[in-house]
Amino acid sequence: GDSVTQMEGPVTLSEEAFLTINCTYTATGYPSLFWYVQYPGEGLQLLLKATKADDKGSNKGFEATYRKETTSFHLEKGSVQVSDSAVYFCALYSSNTGNQFYFGTGTSLTVIP
Amino acid sequence: DGGITQSPKYLFRKEGQNVTLSCEQNLNHDAMYWYRQDPGQGLRLIYYSQIVNDFQKGDIAEGYSVSREKKESFPLTVTSAQKNPTAFYLCASSNPYSNQPQHFGDGTRLSIL
Repeated sequence: GDSVTQMEGPVTLSEEAFLTINCTYTATGYPSLFWYVQYPGEGLQLLLKATKADDKGSNKGFEATYRKETTSFHLEKGSVQVSDSAVYFCALYSSNTGNQFYFGTGTSLTVIP
Repeated sequence: DGGITQSPKYLFRKEGQNVTLSCEQNLNHDAMYWYRQDPGQGLRLIYYSQIVNDFQKGDIAEGYSVSREKKESFPLTVTSAQKNPTAFYLCASSNPYSNQPQHFGDGTRLSIL
């Protein structure tokens, strides 16, 4: 079945460091891919999305490119800030799967000054 | 502003008691979902509904019940049969078959007294 495998954390970076969080997926058909961010005690907020191969989603300095050949959707940011400390979830949606979304296990990021 | 409202933010359950978590959305979405999140864990699907008066079990439905009498509302009841209910509960909604992301509420944290 459809699934998402996400890089395990926690990840600790210094401010202004480069961030990569790996995400790979397994899906039938042509899924849409998403990154969500969760701050402590809150729900998930959509960070970015891509709906077809080679699309690049971007928001707030974060980017991810939908790579069909490697079934990947890695999240990157060139220079992280303390305010980026949160848990990041990779997610997949495919209409082949009964309108369900599949989430990775989440990667906790802590950015230290 | 459109969004999803979950209430209460914090809830306490006594032994043998049923409790109901509220979820209301004004996004005009057809599909609604309930997830459970345990500390340091990802999301697990409890129930989902794609249309009024219809719902399906997710991966961990035992000990939970739902209803969908109105498009805007999808309450979750945690019954006394759920022996380990302490968790963070998230409600989400989306438009089915649209490749659009899920929108999430801010969650309800349920604890045992």
